[in-house]
Amino acid sequence: NAGVTQTPKFQVLKTGQSMTLQCAQDMNHEYMSWYRQDPGMGLRLIHYSVGAGITDQGEVPNGYNVSRSTTEDFPLRLLSAAPSQTSVYFCASKTTGYNGYTFGSGTRLTVV
Amino acid sequence: AQRVTQPEKLLSVFKGAPVELKCNYSYSGSPELFWYVQYSRQRLQLLLRHISRESIKGFTADLNKGETSFHLKKPFAQEEDSAMYYCALKAGGSNYKLTFGKGTLLTVNP
Repeated sequence: NAGVTQTPKFQVLKTGQSMTLQCAQDMNHEYMSWYRQDPGMGLRLIHYSVGAGITDQGEVPNGYNVSRSTTEDFPLRLLSAAPSQTSVYFCASKTTGYNGYTFGSGTRLTVV
Repeated sequence: AQRVTQPEKLLSVFKGAPVELKCNYSYSGSPELFWYVQYSRQRLQLLLRHISRESIKGFTADLNKGETSFHLKKPFAQEEDSAMYYCALKAGGSNYKLTFGKGTLLTVNP
């Protein structure tokens, strides 16, 4: 099992550019989510999904889109990058029952 | 609404000293509480779940529903414990959303 895989690990974008952060898990987890991590702010939930075809907004969804066409993949799209979106992005997944969430290794995004 | 508060941004102790990282939560139902640890520039790793009542790397945490707290404790800190620690709350039932505190950076000095 690879767990949760995020690509790319690092990315620099210019303001206004768009891009997609990839997240894939091979554990057949129903739940997947995207967080952004900023200094002094902890991790804040951007979007989440409880299964293929079902997504919902988290705490800070503006400027981001998601889709969940398969159980394995949960890409995060930045529509028009802004410097305020400079952050470290983590994808996490979970299955049912009393267990923890599995996190990816993160994508460090800089918008200039 | 659910909220997690970690009152200390930074905590510095000497090796061998006891350490306690505080976590308070706000939630009207029966929550599931977690502690996650993040070593320098690495992914978050699950450290403890309140439901399992286990001890990992010498750390323990007890859920106190009366005080709505889930403090993380270790009797003798080690230098390798230096990391960022996050307390997190999941609402009960089928709601999978995980709410994090802002984290406490623990530094264990030699």
